[in-house]
Amino acid sequence: QSALTQPASVSGSPGQSITVSCTGTSSDVGAYNYVSWYQQHPGKAPKLMIFDVNNRPSGVSNRFSGSKSGNTASLTISGLQPEDEADYYCSSHTRSATVVFGAGTKVTVL
Amino acid sequence: EVQLLESGGGLVQPGGSLRLSCAASGFTFNGYVMTWVRQAPGKGLEWVSSITHTGTSTYYADSVKGRFIISRDNSENTMSLQMNSLTVEDTAVYYCAKGGSSYLINWFDPWGQGILVTVSS
Repeated sequence: QSALTQPASVSGSPGQSITVSCTGTSSDVGAYNYVSWYQQHPGKAPKLMIFDVNNRPSGVSNRFSGSKSGNTASLTISGLQPEDEADYYCSSHTRSATVVFGAGTKVTVL
Repeated sequence: EVQLLESGGGLVQPGGSLRLSCAASGFTFNGYVMTWVRQAPGKGLEWVSSITHTGTSTYYADSVKGRFIISRDNSENTMSLQMNSLTVEDTAVYYCAKGGSSYLINWFDPWGQGILVTVSS
């Protein structure tokens, strides 16, 4: 159950678009369309932002979008805003019927 | 409104045991997978354990297998995590989360506020 690989940090200026990558294997990310993304502000519980690769829950801004190619999933935040500064985690269902998370990416709004 | 409220955390000595509970409301509890996820201080999220809607199937991370037991009481809308043989590496905030399916561990929404478990002598 090795963690999915995410960049430690990504930054961008307000209004810009950024992309956070999440690389797994053919046993997790590449095997299913069950990748999800979570936003976590300091001291708060995680919040679901994207599920099943590219679906947004009700109430999540359409500035957040997801995609997947092979063993790598991506989260794109367009029109970056100060409140988007947070930690972001990807997760994937695995062939073992379990879930694995990424190590997390700190998004900084410059 | 879906609400999840964890309880039972606290300070325990290495080798000790602790039982966490998660009280759920605002949704049909017996229709969804329930999950525990933990976060060590300053670290990332770690999936711990999940249980399917009827409780028939349970799943554990390798790091807790054989030490933790997940269970649920659909008549009381509660989920529990019995944690035995605790080590300092189990120190973390433990989150209870509702799944998106009755049997598949796919995504988690919402999450409880979390409860701190500290293992220390």
